[in-house]
Amino acid sequence: GESVGLHLPTLSVQEGDNSIINCAYSNSASDYFIWYKQESGKGPQFIIDIRSNMDKRQGQRVTVLLNKTVKHLSLQIAATQPGDSAVYFCAEKGRDDKIIFGKGTRLHILP
Amino acid sequence: EAQVTQNPRYLITVTGKKLTVTCSQNMNHEYMSWYRQDPGLGLRQIYYSMNVEVTDKGDVPEGYKVSRKEKRNFPLILESPSPNQTSLYFCASSFGGRGTDTQYFGPGTRLTVL
Repeated sequence: GESVGLHLPTLSVQEGDNSIINCAYSNSASDYFIWYKQESGKGPQFIIDIRSNMDKRQGQRVTVLLNKTVKHLSLQIAATQPGDSAVYFCAEKGRDDKIIFGKGTRLHILP
Repeated sequence: EAQVTQNPRYLITVTGKKLTVTCSQNMNHEYMSWYRQDPGLGLRQIYYSMNVEVTDKGDVPEGYKVSRKEKRNFPLILESPSPNQTSLYFCASSFGGRGTDTQYFGPGTRLTVL
């Protein structure tokens, strides 16, 4: 069945370093992927998305990479800041419009 | 301000007592959706709606009902709540359900069923 998973439940990164959060998906028919950030006590917030016809997309300090061959998605955050501390979710949208979220990775920023 | 609002934000109730969690968006979005978030399970979609009077089951619809009589509102109804429905609930909306439409999430409703 469909599943979207993250490789690590928590990730600790030194402030100023780059963060890489990984995600694996199993549905090869999914055509759209999204990364969300959820801060404590708040709802998920859109960060960046990518369609299946792309392999890289860049935003402000964030880059998403999509490797369809191995069904892997990653979120890279450049120069990690204290405000980046949150839980990060990847999500996929299949052609039936259902959205499936991964379980999340908690990003800790070390001073 | 563009936003998705949910009410109530916190609710403690007892088994079997019908309740409704309201969701409203002011962005004229066509697509709305309900999720529940549980530790270790992440976000799971309960129901979604592509437009007025059009609703579909998500991955965990059992025990829930929804309605979409107006574009801006998408209430979640628990006819007979049970303790396994204790969870954090999020409503979300987007302009469309297809393509690259960003979902905007509400602040969440924490429900406890005793």
